[in-house]
Amino acid sequence: GAVVSQHPSRVICKSGTSVKIECRSLDFQATTMFWYRQFPKQSLMLMATSNEGSKATYEQGVEKDKFLINHASLTLSTLTVTSAHPEDSSFYICSASSLQGGRYGYTFGSGTRLTVV
Amino acid sequence: AQRVTQPEKLLSVFKGAPVELKCNYSYSGSPELFWYVQYSRQRLQLLLRHISRESIKGFTADLNKGETSFHLKKPFAQEEDSAMYYCALTQAGTALIFGKGTTLSVSS
Repeated sequence: GAVVSQHPSRVICKSGTSVKIECRSLDFQATTMFWYRQFPKQSLMLMATSNEGSKATYEQGVEKDKFLINHASLTLSTLTVTSAHPEDSSFYICSASSLQGGRYGYTFGSGTRLTVV
Repeated sequence: AQRVTQPEKLLSVFKGAPVELKCNYSYSGSPELFWYVQYSRQRLQLLLRHISRESIKGFTADLNKGETSFHLKKPFAQEEDSAMYYCALTQAGTALIFGKGTTLSVSS
C-alpha cells in the first residue's frame, strides 16, 4: 500500500533557528500534499495544501513566511519552520493524496515532534 | 462553513459492550466522510470511508444525510480497540477536515 515517510520524527532546536521537515511518498506519486499541526490531545489543524510545482495555499492565520513549504517533485514536500520560537513547538504531520482506483486516498506520515528551546 | 463535530472527548466502555462514537458534520455540497484511527505511538490510519460501505475490524458507520451524521459503531468492543478516533470529511481530493477526536478506552 501507499507509504509516506516523514523525517525527522523528533527534533529539538534553539529559538531563532530554522528546521526543515521532509515528507516523501515512497511508492506513489502524490497529487497533493497537506501539512497539519496537532497540539497535545487536540485535533489536526490544516496548515497548508501544496501541489507539485506551484505555491502552497495556506489556511487563514498561518504565516507563510514562517512556515515555508516547498513541493519540488511529485514525491517530496518540505516544511521549513523559520526562526522558530517556543510557541512553534508542536507535532507536525504531513499527508499525501493520490487517486487510487478512481477515488482519492490519503496517506499520513508518522509526524515530527518539534521542540523549540 | 465546513465543520466536523465529535462531541465526546473520551468514551470509556467495558470489553464486550457496544460502542458508538458520534460524528456530526456541516458542509455545503456532497462530502465524503471518513473515520481514522490512531493507536498509541502510531500514525493515523484509515479505518473506513462511507463510500466503501464496508466493515473494518467490526466497525461500521452509516452516513445519515438528514441528520448530517456519520456515527461509528461496533457491537462488542475489544481491548485492542482502545485508541483515538477521528471523523473527517473532504470533497474531491481537497484536504481532510478533522473533528477533535474521541479517545476510546476499553477495559476488561
